Amino acid sequence: DTGVSQDPRHKITKRGQNVTFRCDPISEHNRLYWYRQTLGQGPEFLTYFQNEAQLEKSRLLSDRFSAERPKGSFSTLEIQRTEQGDSAMYLCASSLERWTYGYTFGSGTRLTVV
Amino acid sequence: TQLLEQSPQFLSIQEGENLTVYCNSSSVFSSLQWYRQEPGEGPVLLVTVVTGGEVKKLKRLTFQFGDARKDSSLHITAAQTGDTGLYLCAGSDDYKLSFGAGTTVTVRA
Repeated sequence: DTGVSQDPRHKITKRGQNVTFRCDPISEHNRLYWYRQTLGQGPEFLTYFQNEAQLEKSRLLSDRFSAERPKGSFSTLEIQRTEQGDSAMYLCASSLERWTYGYTFGSGTRLTVV
Repeated sequence: TQLLEQSPQFLSIQEGENLTVYCNSSSVFSSLQWYRQEPGEGPVLLVTVVTGGEVKKLKRLTFQFGDARKDSSLHITAAQTGDTGLYLCAGSDDYKLSFGAGTTVTVRA
């Protein structure tokens, strides 16, 4: 297992279009997280899955955002009707049950809404 | 809103010099993690500190966790150009991390 994979690495979309990102976590990790990072800021928590259950969603995750993790494996994050303010790096991470071991982050998907 | 304040925001030093970056919070966290992030990549975990007063050393990097578990520092001895990057601290309560805005470190050859 080579780590957390995210696809695509870059996405440019027109305002109003829908986009979907994929994350493949480390196979032994049952916890999966989505974070968003804008320029000059640290990552901000969006949502968290334990296996296939989505256990928390941030207030940052408006109704236009939806995340799934079918069968507790890969996860997708969809943004509907994109806005310019959605432009950011979307980071996926996974961890073991014992979170003190730390997260493993993917390389992220850079979204630009034009 | 970032719960963790990191200082300085930017730091530029010559190769071979030492540097220290700081992370302060008004909240107590059960653990604190330090990550390094390079442009266009995700953060990479450097260390997790759990116990107040804890000091951890990783080669040229020394991490301290304050006694009250509200502040931390990262000290790099004899910096190398490969230490260049964005250093992020993150406080943890259970599964969720709250990140600071980071310190951008540039080590000049």
